[in-house]
Amino acid sequence: NAGVTQTPKFQVLKTGQSMTLQCAQDMNHNSMYWYRQDPGMGLRLIYYSASEGTTDKGEVPNGYNVSRLNKREFSLRLESAAPSQTSVYFCASSSDRVGEKLFFGSGTQLSVL
Amino acid sequence: DQQVKQNSPSLSVQEGRISILNCDYTNSMFDYFLWYKKYPAEGPTFLISISSIKDKNEDGRFTVFLNKSAKHLSLHIVPSQPGDSAVYFCAASGYNNNDMRFGAGTRLTVKP
Repeated sequence: NAGVTQTPKFQVLKTGQSMTLQCAQDMNHNSMYWYRQDPGMGLRLIYYSASEGTTDKGEVPNGYNVSRLNKREFSLRLESAAPSQTSVYFCASSSDRVGEKLFFGSGTQLSVL
Repeated sequence: DQQVKQNSPSLSVQEGRISILNCDYTNSMFDYFLWYKKYPAEGPTFLISISSIKDKNEDGRFTVFLNKSAKHLSLHIVPSQPGDSAVYFCAASGYNNNDMRFGAGTRLTVKP
């Protein structure tokens, strides 16, 4: 029972490089999310997708793009990485009910030098 | 602005005693409150939740209390066990799941 799978687990980039974080869920959830976790800040929503083909900005979308490739997959792209994007990134999914719990992936530790 | 605040970055308790983790929120539109537990190198996992129509919810050793007038919730763990040592995040949401806001987390250490 895989749940939410994220790749890669670790990544080091140089400023200006690009990369895509991949996420897939096998729970048939419509809603998927990308969060970043920074010390003292908790988890902050970057982007959200309520269904295949739709995406919405969260609290901190600047510098990121997303793609909801199909119902299972939701990717996060950094076009030109900056040191401020050094963080731990989590993908999550949930059912559509309001207040429903989120299921998280194991995270990606990203360092931008 | 941080709409959900966990003012204690860390908490240490003895095994068998009660752990009380606190959370405050500012947005009166929040209707659902959740606690997540996070171990190192893992994603957060759901622990327990409560909706605004209730003031208490229990699940085994875990109880969440909600005081809407004070905009405060707390998580009680009784008895605490060493395996409970983790970071605990408080979260709150309103009408939409993309409105969910998280606190900064409290690191709980349960000493044997």
